[in-house]
Amino acid sequence: GQQVMQIPQYQHVQEGEDFTTYCNSSTTLSNIQWYKQRPGGHPVFLIQLVKSGEVKKQKRLTFQFGEAKKNSSLHITATQTTDVGTYFCTFMGGGADGLTFGKGTHLIIQP
Amino acid sequence: DGGITQSPKYLFRKEGQNVTLSCEQNLNHDAMYWYRQDPGQGLRLIYYSQIVNDFQKGDIAEGYSVSREKKESFPLTVTSAQKNPTAFYLCASSLDRGNTEAFFGQGTRLTVV
Repeated sequence: GQQVMQIPQYQHVQEGEDFTTYCNSSTTLSNIQWYKQRPGGHPVFLIQLVKSGEVKKQKRLTFQFGEAKKNSSLHITATQTTDVGTYFCTFMGGGADGLTFGKGTHLIIQP
Repeated sequence: DGGITQSPKYLFRKEGQNVTLSCEQNLNHDAMYWYRQDPGQGLRLIYYSQIVNDFQKGDIAEGYSVSREKKESFPLTVTSAQKNPTAFYLCASSLDRGNTEAFFGQGTRLTVV
């Protein structure tokens, strides 16, 4: 079924450095959503992107949807310890036609 | 308060026993989902339901069963046929299928001994 690949799987950064995670699909996506899961917690919705080339910002977070709607990125500027967690991209579709998650990028921040 | 509730938070069962995980939402959402998460891993879809009395298998449905008799409730049964049931189980709901944000419960950590 349809899948997305998230890279990197793990990312270690020093506090204050920038961080980017990428979500890539081999097929066109109708939309893409991003979620954050803190250690020991549950995923929390961050944003949904729908339009080709769309860029949305939330404070230090910038989300992009590719022109071909096959890839997306999440960029965090000047990371803080509160940014620690796993960032997932999701899309509607996949073999089971449910809400399919990527494997996530684990962000680890060293003070 | 509106939200989605999973219970219990921790659950221990002996091997060979069936166990049912509860998921209740008062958000008036049509779609509900069950995911399994193993340590350090992503979320894998077990079952989902778009409407009452209807549900579909996800990627890893073997050894699990669900029901959707009420809009608010989507219980998941982990049967003895599930070979590796120890995991973190997450329930989610959304207004409709995939075009709106999903809200997650706090999760149930199931340990089978």
